[in-house]
Amino acid sequence: DAGVIQSPRHEVTEMGQEVTLRCKPISGHNSLFWYRQTMMRGLELLIYFNNNVPIDDSGMPEDRFSAKMPNASFSTLKIQPSEPRDSAVYFCASSEGQGTLDEQYFGPGTRLTVT
Amino acid sequence: EDQVTQSPEALRLQEGESSSLNCSYTVSGLRGLFWYRQDPGKGPEFLFTLYSAGEEKEKERLKATLTKKESFLHITAPKPEDSATYLCAVPNQAGTALIFGKGTTLSVSS
Repeated sequence: DAGVIQSPRHEVTEMGQEVTLRCKPISGHNSLFWYRQTMMRGLELLIYFNNNVPIDDSGMPEDRFSAKMPNASFSTLKIQPSEPRDSAVYFCASSEGQGTLDEQYFGPGTRLTVT
Repeated sequence: EDQVTQSPEALRLQEGESSSLNCSYTVSGLRGLFWYRQDPGKGPEFLFTLYSAGEEKEKERLKATLTKKESFLHITAPKPEDSATYLCAVPNQAGTALIFGKGTTLSVSS
């Protein structure tokens, strides 16, 4: 398997623009997680899906952020409108089981810069 | 509040100089503690899961141990390729999120 695939790897955009990050989890994995990593706050969970259903979105910062998982092989994280403070590395991860008790496999991340 | 604290923030070692990284946690009803390794520009990579106090796991030069309040990652005779950021994490009480520490960045020089 190719592992978790994320695109784009780098994104530079201007404040106010819409940004869409994409993730393809490992085939057969039932759980998908979106994380954000910054120097100040470290790695933080944004949202967790199980069997394509959002289970915990308490980490989503505000209404500007939204995530979808239309099927088992694809998820998106959208920021609209983007702000400079959204600049970070966004990771997608997947795991076989339910919840957070299984080993998570992380993608390579998308480095987002909002100017 | 569930919390994970790692120390030190950064550690520089000479090749062959053994040391330990610390991860202390406050969470009710620990259901597991995870160690991950993160190389620059990459996503975290799973190393170990520990479930109960007294448990130990080993992988090459790394050994992870767990007590009721903290975990240690022991690095024996490290090599330059062990240089990375080591992250620990615990599930929150609901089991719906992993709470990560900010990591220890290890640099091993030859």
